Amino acid sequence: AQTVTQSQPEMSVQEAETVTLSCTYDTSENNYYLFWYKQPPSRQMILVIRQEAYKQQNATENRFSVNFQKAAKSFSLKISDSQLGDTAMYFCAFMKHSITGGGADGLTFGKGTHLIIQP
Amino acid sequence: DVKVTQSSRYLVKRTGEKVFLECVQDMDHENMFWYRQDPGLGLRLIYFSYDVKMKEKGDIPEGYSVSREKKERFSLILESASTNQTSMYLCASSSDIGYSNQPQHFGDGTRLSIL
Repeated sequence: AQTVTQSQPEMSVQEAETVTLSCTYDTSENNYYLFWYKQPPSRQMILVIRQEAYKQQNATENRFSVNFQKAAKSFSLKISDSQLGDTAMYFCAFMKHSITGGGADGLTFGKGTHLIIQP
Repeated sequence: DVKVTQSSRYLVKRTGEKVFLECVQDMDHENMFWYRQDPGLGLRLIYFSYDVKMKEKGDIPEGYSVSREKKERFSLILESASTNQTSMYLCASSSDIGYSNQPQHFGDGTRLSIL
């Protein structure tokens, strides 16, 4: 079984600052995927960024980037130039590779980090 | 855009009732999932389905069952609701395109209260 740990229950930064959210995981799998999801007060879970474990290059999506350290089983999310709209719960999630494709084994989530961007 | 629709945003039921939570996706996705979300616990997988009439237990299936009679619809059933099932329930779907484990797309959630 996999476990995902987010050690920061809540973080608060000023608008325009850079913030890093931590995530570590434990697994015996070699092929897997890691995700960061954002859940604003509207409740809609939104995919922020995705990383395949076999890729050494860190994923980047505009202001969002990850620092993926496979040996250390660490997957942190960096948000640059933070904006008020970034205020949300952020969840780190793990999915092992399914031979049938499509993520049919479900996601294992961390407990979340509540990020508050102050004006 | 992928649309995952959950039938109710808020629902209040009594203990012992049989409760149905409905989820529909419009993207012809093969895989569908039910999670519950509780403060301080994150999201936990209840059941998932990778095909019509197929179902697999997730991490916390006790007290729940599911039904998938049509590809686009996945129902979560609380056979006899109890107060410890008061929670936020989230439905998700994903495709098998390219066999590359596509991301899951979520509905808006149903906040269920059992009195």
